[in-house]
Amino acid sequence: DAGVTQSPTHLIKTRGQQVTLRCSPISGHKSVSWYQQVLGQGPQFIFQYYEKEERGRGNFPDRFSARQFPNYSSELNVNALLLGDSALYLCASSPTGGASGNTIYFGEGSWLTVV
Amino acid sequence: TQLLEQSPQFLSIQEGENLTVYCNSSSVFSSLQWYRQEPGEGPVLLVTVVTGGEVKKLKRLTFQFGDARKDSSLHITAAQPGDTGLYLCAGADDYKLSFGAGTTVTVRA
Repeated sequence: DAGVTQSPTHLIKTRGQQVTLRCSPISGHKSVSWYQQVLGQGPQFIFQYYEKEERGRGNFPDRFSARQFPNYSSELNVNALLLGDSALYLCASSPTGGASGNTIYFGEGSWLTVV
Repeated sequence: TQLLEQSPQFLSIQEGENLTVYCNSSSVFSSLQWYRQEPGEGPVLLVTVVTGGEVKKLKRLTFQFGDARKDSSLHITAAQPGDTGLYLCAGADDYKLSFGAGTTVTVRA
C-alpha cells in the first residue's frame, strides 16, 4: 500500500513568490496535518484538516493557508515567501482527527529553499 | 518555543555501546510519542506512552515514562549503525503533536 505521498520533493523559490505543496494521505485516512521542520529543530504544527474541515492551526502567519479536497488530499499554500520559510514541509495522515489515540504517518516531505 | 526539551542534542557512540536520550516536558500531554527520523525521510513512530511509570520495550529499545507524565527516556542497548538517526519526542494533544528539537544519534561501526 502507498504511504503518504508529497510533491514536489524539492523546490527553490524567490522571496515574495508563492508556493503550493501537495499531499496525498494513506488510502482510507481522513485526516491530514502539515508541519514545518527548520534545520536543527523538530517539526512545528501548521494545520490539521479532518473531513475537509480545519480543526486546528498553529502559530503561523496568514501567509500560510491550506485546504483538503473531497478525496482527502491536501494542499499547503504559502504566499509572499520569506527567507525564513526555507524548511522541510511534512504532511502527516491518520485515520481520524485525534493525535493522541492514532498512529500518525508522515510523508518524506517537501524541501523548500527560498533565495 | 519548544515545550519539550531533549538532551543531549548530539550523541556519537561506537557500535555495541549503550545510549540514553531524554525528553522533559513543561506540560502534561494526553500521550507522549517517540519518533526516529532518518535523513531525507519523515519521522517514523517508534512508541506511544500514556500511563505514568510505564515502561515499553521494542527489541533493543526501552522507553520509560515518568510518574508525573512529564519526562521520558529512550535507552538503546548494544547500538548498531542502523540506529543512527534523529530521535524526536512529541506530546500529543487533541489534533496536534508538539515536538522537541531532537537528539541526533550517530553509531560508528
